[in-house]
Amino acid sequence: QVQLVQSGAEVKKPGASVKVSCKASGYTFTGYYMHWVRQAPGQGLEWMGRINPNSGDTNYAQKFQDRVTMTRDTSISTAYMELSRLRSDDTAVYYCARAGAARSSFDYWGQGTLVTVSS
Amino acid sequence: SYELTQPPSVSVSPGQTASITCSGDDLGNKYVSWYQQKPGQSPVLVIYQDTTRPSGIPERFSGSNSGNTATLTISGTQAFDEADYYCQAWDSSTVVVFGGGTKLTVL
Repeated sequence: QVQLVQSGAEVKKPGASVKVSCKASGYTFTGYYMHWVRQAPGQGLEWMGRINPNSGDTNYAQKFQDRVTMTRDTSISTAYMELSRLRSDDTAVYYCARAGAARSSFDYWGQGTLVTVSS
Repeated sequence: SYELTQPPSVSVSPGQTASITCSGDDLGNKYVSWYQQKPGQSPVLVIYQDTTRPSGIPERFSGSNSGNTATLTISGTQAFDEADYYCQAWDSSTVVVFGGGTKLTVL
């Protein structure tokens, strides 16, 4: 069965960086785009970007263009999202989500990783 | 940038039909997906490509999309359906947009 297992919660200081991992299993990792979505406390879903695990090509939301880097390691079927220059309003749960065969939607989601930015 | 607008809240009585709308410019020409999210849980896909239910999603969930509005309809709403619902579409071939979310209350 398809599973996306994310790394654990993080606490970071303002200005630092955080790297969240998402380990995929139960399917061919390189066959499906991986997206990252975040959700601030009590707020809605916000798309951050995506990576093509096969080629490594990425597309980022304009809001995060200069602070986010998405990578992957195909040898261990893991995607990564690194966000730099953290601010308090980056406190959120970060999700990885697989784009399904239709590519227009997200059929499997990770359990989420809480990133807290606090001095 | 492209925006999707949802009502913040919708209330429905048990057994009745709930309709949650999602509005956007020329939305009918885009594929819309819908997600259900319960407190403390990850979102779950309930409708994709406007009208298609993934395996395991009950038949009482249905979707439509025309003009500037997509609608998620839940027939015979149950207390178990109480959750936040989000619509999602693609602004372009490389940009994803979510609606602000609708809290469904089953009274």
